[in-house]
Amino acid sequence: GIQVEQSPPDLILQEGANSTLRCNFSDSVNNLQWFHQNPWGQLINLFYIPSGTKQNGRLSATTVATERYSLLYISSSQTTDSGVYFCAVEPLWNTDKLIFGTGTRLQVFP
Amino acid sequence: DTGVSQNPRHKITKRGQNVTFRCDPISEHNRLYWYRQTLGQGPEFLTYFQNEAQLEKSRLLSDRFSAERPKGSFSTLEIQRTEQGDSAMYLCASSLRDRVSGANVLTFGAGSRLTVL
Repeated sequence: GIQVEQSPPDLILQEGANSTLRCNFSDSVNNLQWFHQNPWGQLINLFYIPSGTKQNGRLSATTVATERYSLLYISSSQTTDSGVYFCAVEPLWNTDKLIFGTGTRLQVFP
Repeated sequence: DTGVSQNPRHKITKRGQNVTFRCDPISEHNRLYWYRQTLGQGPEFLTYFQNEAQLEKSRLLSDRFSAERPKGSFSTLEIQRTEQGDSAMYLCASSLRDRVSGANVLTFGAGSRLTVL
């Protein structure tokens, strides 16, 4: 099956710093979503981004489907950005479900 | 619409007992998904419905697990004869695939955390 790997696995930042999270996937995909899981376990949808670039406030994401990777940029990080970030892909050969990556745990300190 | 709702949020049970979780999806969504997440891992797909039809089941879904969506609205996930290894967060999501773009954006509920003693 498709492999979805995220890096780095852990990231510690001071408030105000910028960061880039990466998601690599091993096969062609139909769709890709980035999620933030807060400390209470809620998965919040950040971006639906099968290709191209999107921006939402301090967050932006870029997916290069032909090279099988996606990047999530967080600028001017805040303590509320802490949590685990997941990318999830819908394989081209098995649509209708998301396969999640390994996650990046982000801690932002004041 | 308040999003995807899951109940109960927390459940503590003794090994061997049966438990049932309920998921109420976003009303206009026809697809409903169940995922399981253990500590330190990403969510793993269990099963999904399109309307009332259960279209796919993961190998993770043993015979002790059963999911239903009787009228194509809410869904239940039942675990019979619970084992300690069933302790996890059970997540529900719903979606409506866009007929033009093909986009299928999943929205997740807050989850139901199961602890089996």
